[in-house]
Amino acid sequence: AQSVAQPEDQVNVAEGNPLTVKCTYSVSGNPYLFWYVQYPNRGLQFLLKYITGDNLVKGSYGFEAEFNKSQTSFHLKKPSALVSDSALYFCAVRDMDDSWGKLQFGAGTQVVVTP
Amino acid sequence: KAGVTQTPRYLIKTRGQQVTLSCSPISGHRSVSWYQQTPGQGLQFLFEYFSETQRNKGNFPGRFSGRQFSNSRSEMNVSTLELGDSALYLCASSLDLGANSPLHFGNGTRLTVT
Repeated sequence: AQSVAQPEDQVNVAEGNPLTVKCTYSVSGNPYLFWYVQYPNRGLQFLLKYITGDNLVKGSYGFEAEFNKSQTSFHLKKPSALVSDSALYFCAVRDMDDSWGKLQFGAGTQVVVTP
Repeated sequence: KAGVTQTPRYLIKTRGQQVTLSCSPISGHRSVSWYQQTPGQGLQFLFEYFSETQRNKGNFPGRFSGRQFSNSRSEMNVSTLELGDSALYLCASSLDLGANSPLHFGNGTRLTVT
């Protein structure tokens, strides 16, 4: 079975400062990892994914994430946060060796960027 | 290209009633998944359909059911509604069942059960 942990319910950061949202995962095989963002009263929007290859993945809106196999982590980062980045962020994992397996989401991390 | 469309956007029902939610995937997408989102439980997987067949099912009671049509459109039905069924129901589509295919979500149907 696969699982995802997002240890922080909320992350507060000042505009212009670096933003990091943490995610750790557990899968039986190798992981496919995803980050999604949700704005109020909207569905989730896909930000980026890790399949294989480079450990640093670049995505939409200036976000990137670093895959660390030894620490089973996939933290989301942005060098300079914007107020408009305030939203709910979800990390998700799927077992690469289980094509029929469901996508497992974390509990979400609320990001608050203050001016 | 149009995104995932969910109808209706909002629903208010009373306990004991049943409800049907509709989802139209992105054109060309053949896989449709449904999720329930609540403040307490987060995102809970309901089911996934591909080519009109249910491929995966979450841990929900039999009151929750779904189906997919030949044009990939999907519906989910909840019978004998309970207060705890109040939630945002999200539909997502993907190109295929590949494990690395990202999901594309609709804006959801907000169901309130009174």
